[in-house]
Amino acid sequence: EAGVTQFPSHSVIEKGQTVTLRCDPISGHDNLYWYRRVMGKEIKFLLHFVKESKQDESGMPNNRFLAERTGGTYSTLKVQPAELEDSGVYFCASSQEGFGELFFGEGSRLTVL
Amino acid sequence: AQSVTQLDSQVPVFEEAPVELRCNYSSSVSVYLFWYVQYPNQGLQLLLKYLSGSTLVKGINGFEAEFNKSQTSFHLRKPSVHISDTAEYFCAVSESDSWGKFQFGAGTQVVVTP
Repeated sequence: EAGVTQFPSHSVIEKGQTVTLRCDPISGHDNLYWYRRVMGKEIKFLLHFVKESKQDESGMPNNRFLAERTGGTYSTLKVQPAELEDSGVYFCASSQEGFGELFFGEGSRLTVL
Repeated sequence: AQSVTQLDSQVPVFEEAPVELRCNYSSSVSVYLFWYVQYPNQGLQLLLKYLSGSTLVKGINGFEAEFNKSQTSFHLRKPSVHISDTAEYFCAVSESDSWGKFQFGAGTQVVVTP
């Protein structure tokens, strides 16, 4: 069974540009989470989807970040316009309903120059 | 609000020696506790978790952790490490009504040498 897949694995963009990160959860997992690790800091929660609905987006840093989950399947996280402080690794995780284990993807590394 | 403190940013250890990674947390509500591991170029993998019951929790790859409520700690141990245990280890806390919404510690890099 395929795990959580994230794309791209690494993206390098200029400040002010737009980047879209994609996450494909494990098939059948209703819960999808986005986390971010900025260099040298803790991994921080960004938001949580249940199917296509945003259950909790309290960790989203500002309105330059937009997350969507189409039809309760894959999710995208768009950063527009990107700033230098957005550099870091963005992790996606998915789990089944209830108290299912979270399975993490390998992360998408974003570098903003 | 919760916080998680991993007291050691890096732990060097010789192969076959024991290792303990320390984790302390603070929270005003009931929490669940987790340890995750990240091997190079991989995603986070669950090592073990404490939800309730016995305070000594056994996980994968020979790791175990003990929940101490009075000291608000959840230290991770392994009696004998292998080279393959070289990785970054994260302690995480989730409030009991927010499954999956983790507060992570800063991580502890374990480097195992022969």
